[in-house]
Amino acid sequence: DAGVTQSPTHLIKTRGQQVTLRCSPKSGHDTVSWYQQALGQGPQFIFQYYEEEERQRGNFPDRFSGHQFPNYSSELNVNALLLGDSALYLCASSKLGLAGTSEQYFGPGTRLTVT
Amino acid sequence: DQQVKQNSPSLSVQEGRISILNCDYTNSMFDYFLWYKKYPAEGPTFLISISSIKDKNEDGRFTVFLNKSAKHLSLHIVPSQPGDSAVYFCAALAPTLYNFNKFYFGSGTKLNVKP
Repeated sequence: DAGVTQSPTHLIKTRGQQVTLRCSPKSGHDTVSWYQQALGQGPQFIFQYYEEEERQRGNFPDRFSGHQFPNYSSELNVNALLLGDSALYLCASSKLGLAGTSEQYFGPGTRLTVT
Repeated sequence: DQQVKQNSPSLSVQEGRISILNCDYTNSMFDYFLWYKKYPAEGPTFLISISSIKDKNEDGRFTVFLNKSAKHLSLHIVPSQPGDSAVYFCAALAPTLYNFNKFYFGSGTKLNVKP
């Protein structure tokens, strides 16, 4: 079992550009959540997807959008990148109903640098 | 609005001694709390959790204590080992419909266990 995988590992973009990050959940999981972790901070919840719909959203602007595919994998899109979007982006997967337990698994993250 | 706070950015402990990591929260609706451990270049991994109906949960060397009236929880590691050196995040959940959970994380405490 590969666990949660994310791609790419690292990414460098310029202000104003758009970026797409990808996540494959752990086998058997159907719910995907995305987090932004700025340097020296804890992960901040962006949004959560289940059955291809956004179910919960954190305090992030509409520049942050996502998608979940029928195979449960997910994408995070960020438009009009700002320097402040530089962070580690974490994907976490879980099985609906068990997200409040140990059954939320995190991927290794994608390090996004905006210059 | 930081609803979960870890006020100690770092902690240094001698091997074999007790490590105590602290976490405070402000939202009285939180009913489930978790601790995650994070090594560099890896995603957070679940360590231990506690429901708000309990005040203590133990798993091997790890014990989490919850003081609801003080809105405070702590993680005790006894005895501490060098392999425990990592960043520890406290996280909290509020009940939601269908368990579409939104995790609130603290900013983390970097534990260094000296041999």
